[in-house]
Amino acid sequence: AQKITQTQPGMFVQEKEAVTLDCTYDTSDPSYGLFWYKQPSSGEMIFLIYQGSYDQQNATEGRYSLNFQKARKSANLVISASQLGDSAMYFCAMRGRPYNTDKLIFGTGTRLQVFP
Amino acid sequence: EAQVTQNPRYLITVTGKKLTVTCSQNMNHEYMSWYRQDPGLGLRQIYYSMNVEVTDKGDVPEGYKVSRKEKRNFPLILESPSPNQTSLYFCASSSGGSIGELFFGEGSRLTVL
Repeated sequence: AQKITQTQPGMFVQEKEAVTLDCTYDTSDPSYGLFWYKQPSSGEMIFLIYQGSYDQQNATEGRYSLNFQKARKSANLVISASQLGDSAMYFCAMRGRPYNTDKLIFGTGTRLQVFP
Repeated sequence: EAQVTQNPRYLITVTGKKLTVTCSQNMNHEYMSWYRQDPGLGLRQIYYSMNVEVTDKGDVPEGYKVSRKEKRNFPLILESPSPNQTSLYFCASSSGGSIGELFFGEGSRLTVL
C-alpha cells in the first residue's frame, strides 16, 4: 500500500537558519512523483516543489530543495535561510493508485515555527 | 492567472440545511476533486471527476454529492449536513497522470451546528 510518513509533528528554527523536514514514503511503483505543499495559518495549500522518481537531480525551487534518497525512500524538504513567513504546516504527498482517481496521498504534516 | 476558485470561503450552517460549495478552474483541466482536511487525519479525498459527467467516490464520500456538468465547474453538495461534516474543504484540479501537480483552491471552512 502507498503511504507517506512525516514523523515530526513540530519543528522550530531560528530565522536565517536552514531546516530539514522529514518525509518517507512507501510504494512499489517504479514511477512516481513526490510533492511538498505549504499550508499557512490562512488555510490555503501552496505547492512548493516536485520530485519525480526518475529525475537525475534533486529538485530545487528558490530556497526550497528536496533531498531525495530513492534507496531509503525518503524525500526530505530543506528550507534554506528560513524566514518568519515560512512558519506554516508542511505536507509531503505522492500520487496514489489508481492514477485515474487523481488522488494525492498526504502525510500528517509538520508544523514549522520560525523564531527571530 | 491559473487558479481554482471556491465559494464560500467560510460558512456556518445548521444540521439538515442543504448547502453547496462551488468550485471553478480556469486551466482546462480534465480532473477535479474534493478533499476534506481534519486535524490528525490529513487530507482525504471525497469525490473526483475525470471529465464531464464522469464522477466517482473517493475515500470518504458518505454524506456528499457532486456533479460535473461543465468542465470548469465541480460543485460539492451536502444534502443534509451533520456536525461531523464540520471541516476544511479543498477543491483541486489537475491534468491527471501519475506525476502531475494538483492545484488547490483556497479552501472552504464549514461549520455545521
